[in-house]
Amino acid sequence: DTGVSQDPRHKITKRGQNVTFRCDPISEHNRLYWYRQTLGQGPEFLTYFQNEAQLEKSRLLSDRFSAERPKGSFSTLEIQRTEQGDSAMYLCASSFRSGLAEYQETQYFGPGTRLLVL
Amino acid sequence: GENVEQHPSTLSVQEGDSAVIKCTYSDSASNYFPWYKQELGKRPQLIIDIRSNVGEKKDQRIAVTLNKTAKHFSLHITETQPEDSAVYFCAARKRDDKIIFGKGTRLHILP
Repeated sequence: DTGVSQDPRHKITKRGQNVTFRCDPISEHNRLYWYRQTLGQGPEFLTYFQNEAQLEKSRLLSDRFSAERPKGSFSTLEIQRTEQGDSAMYLCASSFRSGLAEYQETQYFGPGTRLLVL
Repeated sequence: GENVEQHPSTLSVQEGDSAVIKCTYSDSASNYFPWYKQELGKRPQLIIDIRSNVGEKKDQRIAVTLNKTAKHFSLHITETQPEDSAVYFCAARKRDDKIIFGKGTRLHILP
C-alpha cells in the first residue's frame, strides 16, 4: 500500500493519560500535515512539517500537544494529560512541495486515528 | 488568517438533478482551492481542484468555478447519482501555506 497510513486506527483512553499517534506519509512526499476533525466539522489544521522542520503550529495546539518528524519520514503526534475535549478524529495528510513557483500540492489523507477520551 | 465559509450545510437533491455547493474565502492571496469528498467513516479524498489563474475546471460530471474578485468558488455536480451522497469540503490555501477547510456540506441524493 503506497498511501498514507496511520496507527492506531482507534484509541480509547482515560482522561489524564498520554497518547501517541503515528503517521507514515507517501514515501516521496516532503510535507506532512496533522488535522483534527470533530463530528460535523471540516478538518482543522494543527501543524505541518516540511521534511523534519515543523513550519507552523495552530493556536489550537495547546502545550499538551507535540508533534515530531525526526527523520523527515514518519511523524508522531503526542497528546499529554488527555481531556475529554480531545476526543476527535486525528487525520494526517502528506504532499510533495516542489521548488517550482507553480505546483500542484495535492494533499493525500490517511485513514485517521479516532480518539475517545473517557 | 484565512477563513472559509461553506453553504449549505445540508443539501438534498433528486437523483439526476444537479447539486451546487458554494464557498467564500477571506484572504485575497489564496491561490489554490481543492474540493474533498468524505464518505462516512472514510478519509477525505480530493475530487477536483482549481488554481487562481483559472476561472473554471471540469472533470466529467464535476465542475468548479472561481470568482477571484468576489472571493467565491463553487462545486457543481451534474446528473447526480446515489454514490455522490457524502460530505463535501471546500478549502483554500495561500501560496506555500496551510490549507483551511470549510465546515462541509452533507449531500443526500434522493431516489
